[in-house]
Amino acid sequence: SQQGEEDPQALSIQEGENATMNCSYKTSINNLQWYRQNSGRGLVHLILIRSNEREKHSGRLRVTLDTSKKSSSLLITASRAADTASYFCATDAGPRDMRFGAGTRLTVKP
Amino acid sequence: KAGVTQTPRYLIKTRGQQVTLSCSPISGHRSVSWYQQTPGQGLQFLFEYFSETQRNKGNFPGRFSGRQFSNSRSEMNVSTLELGDSALYLCASSLELAGAGKQFFGPGTRLTVL
Repeated sequence: SQQGEEDPQALSIQEGENATMNCSYKTSINNLQWYRQNSGRGLVHLILIRSNEREKHSGRLRVTLDTSKKSSSLLITASRAADTASYFCATDAGPRDMRFGAGTRLTVKP
Repeated sequence: KAGVTQTPRYLIKTRGQQVTLSCSPISGHRSVSWYQQTPGQGLQFLFEYFSETQRNKGNFPGRFSGRQFSNSRSEMNVSTLELGDSALYLCASSLELAGAGKQFFGPGTRLTVL
């Protein structure tokens, strides 16, 4: 069963705009991770945020975590066509168990 | 370092057959996890191996099994294939147990069951 749920399911924006994706989960977690997947290929790890962290940055990526609301958001600033992909959040539903959400399909139009 | 490799990349089988997929993790990684990805169910966790021991298992029937060798390479076997087993099978390796840190994914094996 899936732990996280991303919102929206699909997002279409113009190059240069910001993209925000949200993830909600059900159980307590130790950490939450975001991954990107280009069509039909393997996933690429983007960022990991631990349950005692509220915000984390990596380049054009900004991730926030609100454990009281059991939610996280991924912000991609100044998007590029190459950012077109599916984005997944993954939580450690514990013990030693990772679960992925259904993903947000992001399309960045040039 | 070489990334995670999976073989074969594509596979076509018929119902009732069995299949074995292989995954070679990044050198030094002891954890290998397997996932099934389908359009309908998304990414679902199959199982994880760490130091040759299965550490956790997802909610899949016993037809799905796996093992890990002393060099950390892992194989996944599906017996008595069903049409619904058509999917992209991904393996991921990590230094620590899955969930504790970053996982590195292979390109996947696309299995089609006819």
